[in-house]
Amino acid sequence: GAVVSQHPSWVICKSGTSVKIECRSLDFQATTMFWYRQFPKQSLMLMATSNEGSKATYEQGVEKDKFLINHASLTLSTLTVTSAHPEDSSFYICSASGLAGAGYEQYFGPGTRLTVT
Amino acid sequence: GENVEQHPSTLSVQEGDSAVIKCTYSDSASNYFPWYKQELGKRPQLIIDIRSNVGEKKDQRIAVTLNKTAKHFSLHITETQPEDSAVYFCAASITYNTDKLIFGTGTRLQVFP
Repeated sequence: GAVVSQHPSWVICKSGTSVKIECRSLDFQATTMFWYRQFPKQSLMLMATSNEGSKATYEQGVEKDKFLINHASLTLSTLTVTSAHPEDSSFYICSASGLAGAGYEQYFGPGTRLTVT
Repeated sequence: GENVEQHPSTLSVQEGDSAVIKCTYSDSASNYFPWYKQELGKRPQLIIDIRSNVGEKKDQRIAVTLNKTAKHFSLHITETQPEDSAVYFCAASITYNTDKLIFGTGTRLQVFP
């Protein structure tokens, strides 16, 4: 299957700072990438859908000014958590697919564990 | 929007027994139903999926059934092994639209030797 990487795998930051998480598709072009957040012992909650070259579509209740998503190329999407607070501590997972609407399988990254102190 | 419910939240079985996890979805337009296995701190791994034009699919010890009329689908694991212990998530998607996956709440499966 296709490979998706995330960087960093874990990060600890202080409250009020910003953190950038990268999601890369290593061996295929990902027209669409998805960002999920997963709290301990909970399910994956979709935060936003990003399409290369266009603005991300955020799910209801997700603050677009706090979670900045950029999908500047077919292999890279970034999620920036701005002015992070302890309640933003979570496991962030991205997934990538070849073409939205074409029924392609989503390939998940390994996740990034964010801890805000 | 789509809502996916999953039951049970926890499931304990003896090695060799079968395990069944059930999900229901709300949006009749959903046409793709994958199942993921997630081990602690790791990424979800696709174990089997089914599309709406199929009623059942099997892959060795794992099978999935889909009832479009009732809007529910189930995961069946036979001859369970301790390494099957993990959290399992169902999901639903409309693949001719956004492809976004809506996940169920998860089932923690424990297989005791």
